[in-house]
Amino acid sequence: AQSVTQLGSHVSVSEGALVLLRCNYSSSVPPYLFWYVQYPNQGLQLLLKYTTGATLVKGINGFEAEFKKSETSFHLTKPSAHMSDAAEYFCALKAGGYQKVTFGTGTKLQVIP
Amino acid sequence: DVKVTQSSRYLVKRTGEKVFLECVQDMDHENMFWYRQDPGLGLRLIYFSYDVKMKEKGDIPEGYSVSREKKERFSLILESASTNQTSMYLCASSPTGATNEKLFFGSGTQLSVL
Repeated sequence: AQSVTQLGSHVSVSEGALVLLRCNYSSSVPPYLFWYVQYPNQGLQLLLKYTTGATLVKGINGFEAEFKKSETSFHLTKPSAHMSDAAEYFCALKAGGYQKVTFGTGTKLQVIP
Repeated sequence: DVKVTQSSRYLVKRTGEKVFLECVQDMDHENMFWYRQDPGLGLRLIYFSYDVKMKEKGDIPEGYSVSREKKERFSLILESASTNQTSMYLCASSPTGATNEKLFFGSGTQLSVL
């Protein structure tokens, strides 16, 4: 069975500070990994994804994530937080050629001015 | 842009009612999904469909059924609504193929069962 664990349901950072949202996964086969963002009263939209190849992936709005197989992690980072980054972020996994996508429980990011 | 449209933004129903949630996508995607989103629990997959008339149970199918008679439409049915089905319901679609790995989400339907 595959699973995704997001550490920290709420994270607060100051504007301009580093953003680090943690995601660990469990999968018996090589996974595809995703980060999605949800702004208030909206559906989710894709930030970035790892499928194969380069383990450091860049996404929209200055976010990036690194796939670390040895640590089974896919943490999301951004060097400098902006007020507009305040949202809920979901890590997700897909594995084994199967269409099912499994989501983590989400991390709400608060950006303090 | 791909559009996934959910028929209602807010819905209020009574316990025991039969409830239909409708979802339509306009990009000819093979795969469609229904998730429910609850605070602290993230998104949990109810059902998904990879082709017309095909469906597969997700992680929490109990109390729900689905229908996919046409490629663009995927309906979630609550046969007899209960208060524990009060939740935000999100529909999503995706194409098949590694280069297109991405879920496209609708804006959600907030269902309240009284």
